[in-house]
Amino acid sequence: KQEVTQIPAALSVPEGENLVLNCSFTDSAIYNLQWFRQDPGKGLTSLLLIQSSQREQTSGRLNASLDKSSGRSTLYIAASQPGDSATYLCAVKNNAGNMLTFGGGTRLMVKP
Amino acid sequence: NAGVTQTPKFRVLKTGQSMTLLCAQDMNHEYMYWYRQDPGMGLRLIHYSVGEGTTAKGEVPDGYNVSRLKKQNFLLGLESAAPSQTSVYFCASTEDRGRVYTEAFFGQGTRLTVV
Repeated sequence: KQEVTQIPAALSVPEGENLVLNCSFTDSAIYNLQWFRQDPGKGLTSLLLIQSSQREQTSGRLNASLDKSSGRSTLYIAASQPGDSATYLCAVKNNAGNMLTFGGGTRLMVKP
Repeated sequence: NAGVTQTPKFRVLKTGQSMTLLCAQDMNHEYMYWYRQDPGMGLRLIHYSVGEGTTAKGEVPDGYNVSRLKKQNFLLGLESAAPSQTSVYFCASTEDRGRVYTEAFFGQGTRLTVV
């Protein structure tokens, strides 16, 4: 059974810092990995999708990498801003079955 | 383009009552999912569908039923609500394009309280 872990569970940083969020998964047989953002009381917004054949994806200040063989992904946020404060979730799409398996999320707070 | 729309957004039920949550997507996606999100438990899959007329069980299907009569709609039913079903429910959809799955899109959620 696929298990997805996100460390740390919570992170507080001053504005302007570059930061890295971690996601690890136990079964490397995945189709893709997706990073989401969730604001309090809201739904999930897709940030980046990395297919299993890709190593990284970039969107603005966000860069996500994937090392499928070691079961790891990182989300890099450059020059963090208070508006980046949210919970960040990673999810993997397994080769077997049709479901997304989610990590527990990292709750990020960026202080002005 | 609305994406994924969930109805209702909030609901309070009494124990034993029934209700149906509606999910509608306008992206012509084949795959649709129902998740529940609980503090400390993350997102857990309840049921999913890989196409019109199909449904399958996820991790936590007990107490729920689903139907996918039309491709764009996926309904989640609670026949006899229990306090343990108090949660936030999310619907999602995605597409399989030759074994390359597209990104998953989520609705805004339904906050259900069972008293």
